[in-house]
Amino acid sequence: EDKVVQSPLSLVVHEGDTVTLNCSYEVTNFRSLLWYKQEKKAPTFLFMLTSSGIEKKSGRLSSILDKKELFSILNITATQTGDSAIYLCAVEALNNNDMRFGAGTRLTVKP
Amino acid sequence: DVKVTQSSRYLVKRTGEKVFLECVQDMDHENMFWYRQDPGLGLRLIYFSYDVKMKEKGDIPEGYSVSREKKERFSLILESASTNQTSMYLCASMGSGAKYSLHFGNGTRLTVT
Repeated sequence: EDKVVQSPLSLVVHEGDTVTLNCSYEVTNFRSLLWYKQEKKAPTFLFMLTSSGIEKKSGRLSSILDKKELFSILNITATQTGDSAIYLCAVEALNNNDMRFGAGTRLTVKP
Repeated sequence: DVKVTQSSRYLVKRTGEKVFLECVQDMDHENMFWYRQDPGLGLRLIYFSYDVKMKEKGDIPEGYSVSREKKERFSLILESASTNQTSMYLCASMGSGAKYSLHFGNGTRLTVT
C-alpha cells in the first residue's frame, strides 16, 4: 500500500535555527513529491520535486529529492516565527493521479 | 481520529450534467475545504467554508459552487460539468484554534466525458 511518512511529527526551535524536515514514501509509479505549508486557512504550495538530486530553493527554504532512497527533505535556514506552521508532504502517482499526504510536521519557532 | 468521508471514490458524468460531490466530517470542525488536484499543478483550492452557510472562494472557483447547510457536510456542485473538470477532488476539514491540522478525505476521481 502506498504511504507517506513525515518526521518529526513536531519540532520546536528558536529563531535563527536551521531545521530539516523529512518525508519518506512508498508509492507505486512515482510522479512527483510536493511540499506545502499549512497555516490557518489552506495549504500554501512550496515545491514540486520530480528529479533526484536537484535542489529547489525559495528564499530560506530549500528541498531535495532522493528517488533511490525514496525520501525528500525540506530545509529552512534562519527560521523566523512566521515559519511556524504544519509542513505537509504529498506524493503523486503516475498511474491514477492520486495524491497521498503525510501526517505533517508541526514546526513551532519561538522568539 | 478525525474521519473525512467523500461519498464516491470514482464518478463518471457526461458533459452538461449537474454533479454533486459530498463530504462529511465527524469531528465538529468549523472549517471545510474543497480542492482539485491535477498532475503537475499540485493542490488548488476551489472553495472553503468556515461555518454553516458561510463560504469563500478559493483560487479556482469558476464553474463550481458549494453548499454548507450542516456543519458536518460540505458539498461541491458542478452546475454543468465540462471535460476540463475531469480531476481528482479532495475534501478536507480543520478545527479552529491553534492546531491548524488539515484532515483530508480519500478523494473523488471525477471523469467528465
